[in-house]
Amino acid sequence: AQTVTQSQPEMSVQEAETVTLSCTYDTSENNYYLFWYKQPPSRQMILVIRQEAYKQQNATENRFSVNFQKAAKSFSLKISDSQLGDTAMYFCAFRLNTGNQFYFGTGTSLTVIP
Amino acid sequence: DAGVIQSPRHEVTEMGQEVTLRCKPISGHNSLFWYRQTMMRGLELLIYFNNNVPIDDSGMPEDRFSAKMPNASFSTLKIQPSEPRDSAVYFCASRRGEGAQAFFGQGTRLTVV
Repeated sequence: AQTVTQSQPEMSVQEAETVTLSCTYDTSENNYYLFWYKQPPSRQMILVIRQEAYKQQNATENRFSVNFQKAAKSFSLKISDSQLGDTAMYFCAFRLNTGNQFYFGTGTSLTVIP
Repeated sequence: DAGVIQSPRHEVTEMGQEVTLRCKPISGHNSLFWYRQTMMRGLELLIYFNNNVPIDDSGMPEDRFSAKMPNASFSTLKIQPSEPRDSAVYFCASRRGEGAQAFFGQGTRLTVV
């Protein structure tokens, strides 16, 4: 079975500072994808960044980057130069290469303080 | 707690048939979400309930889709009539309140042929 754990229910960061959200997962499979989704007050789920497990290079999307440690099964999200609009719930998710089955963490509520 | 329970896990149906997806949220949670996940559109919010009342259903694609939450422990998402483009994985999630962590079910994989 696959599980995803986000151990930080809430976090806050000062505007323009950097924050790291933690995510660990458990799987016996070798081929999978990892995702970070942002859920703003609209409650839509917006894809922030995605990582293929076979790639050693950490994914980066503008101010968002990940630290993917496959051996440790860790997938943290770093947000640089935090902006007020980054305030949201962030979900870590996992999907095997085969099929559409997603596994979600329980989320981390991030507040960016002006 | 068994977590958010969705049924069925897989559903294959013929075009034109009615499909009902079910969700049992975690006891004590007062918010419930239905999401649809496709490769093309990613994860879309369909509807959001708070205290059994639909708060935001703007994501419901069209009149063929309807959702109900008759009580705090049960919700349904119905598609009638179903179409092949409805094929997707449908997720249900619940949480205790605004800003609280959310718990997702394992999803229902719907295939309309």
